[in-house]
Amino acid sequence: EAGVVQSPRYKIIEKKQPVAFWCNPISGHNTLYWYLQNLGQGPELLIRYENEEAVDDSQLPKDRFSAERLKGVDSTLKIQPAELGDSAVYLCASSRPGSGELFFGEGSRLTVL
Amino acid sequence: GENVEQHPSTLSVQEGDSAVIKCTYSDSASNYFPWYKQELGKGPQLIIDIRSNVGEKKDQRIAVTLNKTAKHFSLHITETQPEDSAVYFCAASIRYQLIWGAGTKLIIKP
Repeated sequence: EAGVVQSPRYKIIEKKQPVAFWCNPISGHNTLYWYLQNLGQGPELLIRYENEEAVDDSQLPKDRFSAERLKGVDSTLKIQPAELGDSAVYLCASSRPGSGELFFGEGSRLTVL
Repeated sequence: GENVEQHPSTLSVQEGDSAVIKCTYSDSASNYFPWYKQELGKGPQLIIDIRSNVGEKKDQRIAVTLNKTAKHFSLHITETQPEDSAVYFCAASIRYQLIWGAGTKLIIKP
């Protein structure tokens, strides 16, 4: 079984530029999560999808962050414009229906200069 | 809201010794407590979890204990090995939302 796939693994951009991250969850996992992880800290939830519906986006900074999961499978997280403080690892995770176990991708490390 | 505190932030143990990591939570409605291991450059991976109706759970060298009255839970790793070196995160779940601790860096000394 293929794991959660994220791309790109690394991205370096200038501040005020846009950036997008892509995630393909494990087949059959209807719940998809985007997390932000700063160095030396635990993951912080940005948004949770049940199929194509965003059921928890309360922690997503909507002035500059957006996400979509149009067909209920893969998902894209976008930042526009990026700020210096957005430098972090963006983790995608998925879970099976009724299961509390999250399966994480390897993350996308963003550096904003 | 829920808050999870994790201690220590760094733990260094001799290979073969035991390691214990402790977490406390604030919301008594939390009912699911997973532990994740994160190796360098990778995403976290579930290693063990416990639900609020159970006091202890073991899986080979790993065990988790839960004290609902005191609102704390602990991860125990026995006979530590070099491959146990990683960052370990505890979390508490309330209404499908996971609140994570800040992590413990476990160092296994040869």
